[in-house]
Amino acid sequence: DGGITQSPKYLFRKEGQNVTLSCEQNLNHDAMYWYRQDPGQGLRLIYYSQIVNDFQKGDIAEGYSVSREKKESFPLTVTSAQKNPTAFYLCASTSSGGSQPQHFGDGTRLSIL
Amino acid sequence: AQSVTQPDIHITVSEGASLELRCNYSYGATPYLFWYVQSPGQGLQLLLKYFSGDTLVQGIKGFEAEFKRSQSSFNLRKPSVHWSDAAEYFCAVGVYNFNKFYFGSGTKLNVKP
Repeated sequence: DGGITQSPKYLFRKEGQNVTLSCEQNLNHDAMYWYRQDPGQGLRLIYYSQIVNDFQKGDIAEGYSVSREKKESFPLTVTSAQKNPTAFYLCASTSSGGSQPQHFGDGTRLSIL
Repeated sequence: AQSVTQPDIHITVSEGASLELRCNYSYGATPYLFWYVQSPGQGLQLLLKYFSGDTLVQGIKGFEAEFKRSQSSFNLRKPSVHWSDAAEYFCAVGVYNFNKFYFGSGTKLNVKP
């Protein structure tokens, strides 16, 4: 079955540490996204990529970095510069244009040790 | 600028009662509109989408939504709520050709027995 796989489901970060969240899709979608979800704030866009080797900052990109070396993969690194990383992170993908719905992974919950 | 407003943060309905969740959007052109549902600790699942044509759209799980251009609204409805409908619901608008989506802050639905 086609879908999006996020791993790990739970992740803990120590002070000063960078951590990387994995997102893989086998839907052959061009566009991929990372969202951060905090209670009562809905989904906030961190980064998105419309094509391999290209990505754009979203509304809250500070303290995060991404890469898009392969169509199927869009990993997110939460750097030590992100002072409040505790949140639920969702990866999504879509085929094109903004006219097709997004498909979502099951999320990664990141907490601070 | 594009935006989506879900004015109700929490809604409680009795099982078997009807449901309407409100969504208002701000967008300069004909929008692509979506409703998603999220269970705790999970990703978002698409309920239904509106692109053009008939303003009443049917979705999964017995949900429907009506697009009203004059009111900039896309309200979600269900005639008879089941306990399994308890979840958080998100309205979203897609920006054509930019592969970007804007989400409301969500409405959390509780269902009383």
